[in-house]
Amino acid sequence: GESVGLHLPTLSVQEGDNSIINCAYSNSASDYFIWYKQESGKGPQFIIDIRSNMDKRQGQRVTVLLNKTVKHLSLQIAATQPGDSAVYFCAERVTGGGNKLTFGTGTQLKVEL
Amino acid sequence: DGGITQSPKYLFRKEGQNVTLSCEQNLNHDAMYWYRQDPGQGLRLIYYSQIVNDFQKGDIAEGYSVSREKKESFPLTVTSAQKNPTAFYLCASKITGLAGNTIYFGEGSWLTVV
Repeated sequence: GESVGLHLPTLSVQEGDNSIINCAYSNSASDYFIWYKQESGKGPQFIIDIRSNMDKRQGQRVTVLLNKTVKHLSLQIAATQPGDSAVYFCAERVTGGGNKLTFGTGTQLKVEL
Repeated sequence: DGGITQSPKYLFRKEGQNVTLSCEQNLNHDAMYWYRQDPGQGLRLIYYSQIVNDFQKGDIAEGYSVSREKKESFPLTVTSAQKNPTAFYLCASKITGLAGNTIYFGEGSWLTVV
């Protein structure tokens, strides 16, 4: 079936380095994508989103890149800080799917001092 | 403050009991959702409602029930028919239509069967 998946379950980076979290999706009918950050025991927090008619979108210290040709999504975090340590999920919305989001399994980002 | 409030934060259930998780939002959002999250896994959709007095089953609705009598409230009942209810439950909401695509989450409720 259609699915959203992440390449790496755990990513360790040094404080101050840039982080790149990847996500693969398989549904070509997906028109909207979101990245969420989830800290332990808390609900997911919205980070950044992107529509399928865009290739790149930037926020504060974060950039999302969308490559529709290979169905790949990435989240780049600049100058990673200890507070960035969390699980990061990508989610996709399928056009005509009733506004439901399908989530990947998540990537644990660990920031080393 | 505007937001999504889930209660209780922690709940223990004996086998065979029904329990209800509360979700209230004061964001004036039309759509509300319930997700289940198991340790180390992603979120799976249980039920969703796009308008008052209407709701649809998600991917794992068996053993759960919901109601949507008010716009701001979307309670989830975990029934005794749910054989493995221990999980982290997340309520979410969003505005419908082109103006709102982002789903916002509450802080979650931990349910443990004892």
